[in-house]
Amino acid sequence: EAAVTQSPRSKVAVTGGKVTLSCHQTNNHDYMYWYRQDTGHGLRLIHYSYVADSTEKGDIPDGYKASRPSQENFSLILELASLSQTAVYFCASRDWGGSQNTLYFGAGTRLSVL
Amino acid sequence: AQSVTQPDARVTVSEGASLQLRCKYSYSGTPYLFWYVQYPRQGLQLLLKYYSGDPVVQGVNGFEAEFIKSNSSFHLRKASVHWSDSAVYFCAVSQNSGGSNYKLTFGKGTLLTVTP
Repeated sequence: EAAVTQSPRSKVAVTGGKVTLSCHQTNNHDYMYWYRQDTGHGLRLIHYSYVADSTEKGDIPDGYKASRPSQENFSLILELASLSQTAVYFCASRDWGGSQNTLYFGAGTRLSVL
Repeated sequence: AQSVTQPDARVTVSEGASLQLRCKYSYSGTPYLFWYVQYPRQGLQLLLKYYSGDPVVQGVNGFEAEFIKSNSSFHLRKASVHWSDSAVYFCAVSQNSGGSNYKLTFGKGTLLTVTP
């Protein structure tokens, strides 16, 4: 069964600190995504990648970096965490093309910045 | 730009009653449409999707949705809800291609509460 695993599941960070959220998929999918979920905003796309060693900006990339060192792994990096980045973060993967276009999501990482 | 509107942030229904969750999309071409469900403390799971053909699509657990192009809508329905259907439901739209610029845009979600 397709699987997307996120770590950690929750994290408390201090303002100005560095935070790294990790995502690992065993789906053999080319595409990976990072979304942010806030109450009242649904899910918003931060960064995505369609090949290793390359990342693309989504709709709200400011304050975030992404890294895709391999097909299986995709990280989201907050160099200087801020209070406004408190949210739940979801990673997802997708197979390329055809009629699939289904995103498979991890369980999420709940980040609290204090 | 594509967008999705879910006008109801919260919906409460009694167990056994019928359900409709509303979704309207904005997209210039022919869209791909999705409904995802998020159970408490879990990630999103695909409920159903529409690409083409029959405008009424069936999903898991008795859910179905109807694509009405003239109204730009993709409402989710279920004939009889169960308490376990309590969750957040997201409608989403994408362009009808799967290339590197593929983008899935979500609505804000509707919190469904099923009461005994």
